[in-house]
Amino acid sequence: SQQGEEDPQALSIQEGENATMNCSYKTSINNLQWYRQNSGRGLVHLILIRSNEREKHSGRLRVTLDTSKKSSSLLITASRAADTASYFCATDAKAAGNKLTFGGGTRVLVKP
Amino acid sequence: GAVVSQHPSRVICKSGTSVKIECRSLDFQATTMFWYRQFPKQSLMLMATSNEGSKATYEQGVEKDKFLINHASLTLSTLTVTSAHPEDSSFYICSASGGPLGEQFFGPGTRLTVL
Repeated sequence: SQQGEEDPQALSIQEGENATMNCSYKTSINNLQWYRQNSGRGLVHLILIRSNEREKHSGRLRVTLDTSKKSSSLLITASRAADTASYFCATDAKAAGNKLTFGGGTRVLVKP
Repeated sequence: GAVVSQHPSRVICKSGTSVKIECRSLDFQATTMFWYRQFPKQSLMLMATSNEGSKATYEQGVEKDKFLINHASLTLSTLTVTSAHPEDSSFYICSASGGPLGEQFFGPGTRLTVL
């Protein structure tokens, strides 16, 4: 079963705007990862945030993690048309070894 | 990041035939690889964990006799869909665990269509 739930399921924004998506999970985790998937393609690893970290940046991406609320957010700043993709969070649960459990994903459309 | 390849990228086959999909880690050794399937507009569902030199561990509801997994070396895992049926049509994606923090790196996926 999927541990993570993401919202919104879909997001449509104009180029230049910021995009924020959230992920919630149920059990204790070792880390949480965010991935991007372009239509019909594999997944691209974006950021991994460990359970003892609260915030992490990579270029225009900012990820936060609140373990007390069992939630994470991904912020894409100054979005570009090329950011159009589906974004998934995945948790590496302490009880699940190295297996990842994916959220339902957020489909982001950035309009030029 | 590390590179994982899959072959073939796309396959169309007749119902009842078997299809083999290869997953390779190109620039690192992966003791563990994972196989997922993804239906259109849905998330990835883990099918099985492939361990080099030992039997794969299947998730609940995944038929091990239908989805044969072999992890013969530290850089290659194969998934064979036996006696494929139209309901097996899906996007199959593999990943390899190789990062220092346990990151998984994903292959580009294989689109299977069973007629």
